[in-house]
Amino acid sequence: ETGVTQSPTHLIKTRGQQVTLRCSSQSGHNTVSWYQQALGQGPQFIFQYYREEENGRGNFPPRFSGLQFPNYSSELNVNALELDDSALYLCASSSGLPHRGELFFGEGSRLTVL
Amino acid sequence: GQQVMQIPQYQHVQEGEDFTTYCNSSTTLSNIQWYKQRPGGHPVFLIQLVKSGEVKKQKRLTFQFGEAKKNSSLHITATQTTDVGTYFCAGPGNDYKLSFGAGTTVTVRA
Repeated sequence: ETGVTQSPTHLIKTRGQQVTLRCSSQSGHNTVSWYQQALGQGPQFIFQYYREEENGRGNFPPRFSGLQFPNYSSELNVNALELDDSALYLCASSSGLPHRGELFFGEGSRLTVL
Repeated sequence: GQQVMQIPQYQHVQEGEDFTTYCNSSTTLSNIQWYKQRPGGHPVFLIQLVKSGEVKKQKRLTFQFGEAKKNSSLHITATQTTDVGTYFCAGPGNDYKLSFGAGTTVTVRA
């Protein structure tokens, strides 16, 4: 049990819709990273937030956006959903920037786009 | 950009045997992290290596960081059914993001 919680755990959307995924980081952690994991692949970095500011972004289009709140919880928003967005979305929290140490992952939100 | 590659993609092991999985980076890494993801689960941190040539052991798992800090390996001895899962290595880029390899998926024959 990492203390990182994500919601919802599963959801189904149709193409063109919008989705918001939520993450509560582990107590004391000020950094949240979001990853997309397609079936059978490794986690792909979307972006990360450090003390409420985005400080790194992967190769994802602008329709992927996020927020980090003062309590360090975070949201991932995806607009204009496409079929290829179907994946497990993982949130990970860390104390400080992830490249310096351990990431604590949540159970993930499995998104299916029909 | 920085890429992390892992081989093999799949490892089918007889229970009790040893195996090694490898991780290679296109750039020099400040550190390398290893994670394990059980089927249906989420990645769980195993270890971080920082120093050139570093070797760390966790029971039957031995992790090594290459001298040039561009590659790493995970060796598991006497494989057990509890070792089933996908093992990922991850390395940081210049922009602080952690890039994961595609993983090595391990299955065990009893």
